Amino acid sequence: DGGITQSPKYLFRKEGQNVTLSCEQNLNHDAMYWYRQDPGQGLRLIYYSQIVNDFQKGDIAEGYSVSREKKESFPLTVTSAQKNPTAFYLCASSIQRGETNEKLFFGSGTQLSVL
Amino acid sequence: SQQGEEDPQALSIQEGENATMNCSYKTSINNLQWYRQNSGRGLVHLILIRSNEREKHSGRLRVTLDTSKKSSSLLITASRAADTASYFCATSIIQGAQKLVFGQGTRLTINP
Repeated sequence: DGGITQSPKYLFRKEGQNVTLSCEQNLNHDAMYWYRQDPGQGLRLIYYSQIVNDFQKGDIAEGYSVSREKKESFPLTVTSAQKNPTAFYLCASSIQRGETNEKLFFGSGTQLSVL
Repeated sequence: SQQGEEDPQALSIQEGENATMNCSYKTSINNLQWYRQNSGRGLVHLILIRSNEREKHSGRLRVTLDTSKKSSSLLITASRAADTASYFCATSIIQGAQKLVFGQGTRLTINP
């Protein structure tokens, strides 16, 4: 099946700990994204990548880091510098056509909580 | 503030009725998209309307776009209990970084 897979579904972080959320896609999409969703809220963009070995900060990048070493993979690390990490994290991918954003395909999300 | 803002924030109707949700935005766009999210799940793309289009249909969904008013509406006809979800609009802005900007969503409840 083609799709986008996030793991784990639930993750717990201890104070001062870095944690990494996995995102893999087999859709052959160039662009990948990480969003954060707080309860009852919309999505806020953390980081995005339009091509391998390149990525840009979104609106709330502080306390997060990413890498894009392979087209299929775009892991997100929540560092200890992120003081309020409890949220639902969503990874997405899309075809990139020039300046236009085409539709996003989303993973099923990772719920991160602080112990 | 958010580029896209949905109205109402919550909507509760009886099964079989039509549901209308609205989205307003501030800056010029090249397209506007609607997504659906079931509780605790990822978002699913419903429909994309480009800035040169005024109306689009997909099954029981009808989307309109008025670029002069910077607004869009999503109509779900003959609603079903399975339509219960949150619905988000997302705008693809022309200027700046290539990204979608999401609104805060409308929580739709269909009562049987």
